[in-house]
Amino acid sequence: NAGVTQTPKFQVLKTGQSMTLQCAQDMNHEYMSWYRQDPGMGLRLIHYSVGAGITDQGEVPNGYNVSRSTTEDFPLRLLSAAPSQTSVYFCASSRRLAGETQYFGPGTRLLVL
Amino acid sequence: AQKITQTQPGMFVQEKEAVTLDCTYDTSDQSYGLFWYKQPSSGEMIFLIYQGSYDEQNATEGRYSLNFQKARKSANLVISASQLGDSAMYFCAMREPMGASKIIFGSGTRLSIRP
Repeated sequence: NAGVTQTPKFQVLKTGQSMTLQCAQDMNHEYMSWYRQDPGMGLRLIHYSVGAGITDQGEVPNGYNVSRSTTEDFPLRLLSAAPSQTSVYFCASSRRLAGETQYFGPGTRLLVL
Repeated sequence: AQKITQTQPGMFVQEKEAVTLDCTYDTSDQSYGLFWYKQPSSGEMIFLIYQGSYDEQNATEGRYSLNFQKARKSANLVISASQLGDSAMYFCAMREPMGASKIIFGSGTRLSIRP
């Protein structure tokens, strides 16, 4: 199993550009989430999904869109990039069971100029 | 609303000593799960230990144990016999209720082990 994969590893955008961060998992996990981690801070939840076709907002959803058409994939779209969205983005997945930890991808480092 | 607080931004500990990382949480639910993760300088998130709110015993995983005090709403991580490789950021996290999809994180504690 590859676990949770994220692409790209690193991206530079100009203000106003749009892009999609890709996330895929091959563990058949129901739950998937996107977090952002700013320097020296913890992870803040952007959006999450409890299954294909179902998504919901986390703590900091503004400026981001998600969709989940399959169990495996959970892309995160930046609609119009802003310097405030410079961050490291983590995707995570888990099973729908109490006590189950989340499995994290390696992260995408995004720089918005 | 659920909240996780880690009050120690940074700690320095001598190698081979035990260290306690503090975590307090706020929740109105009786059913929740608490997690600790380690993030080394390479950036990946590594799961360390889990404690369910209904678990009567404190969780242990090798050198890691979780000092769970439900009435005080605290879930401190104890690392015994610290090693140089323990130097990292440590995050406390909570899932409420227990089987929910959302997990929220504290701001983290940076642990540095001195040789």
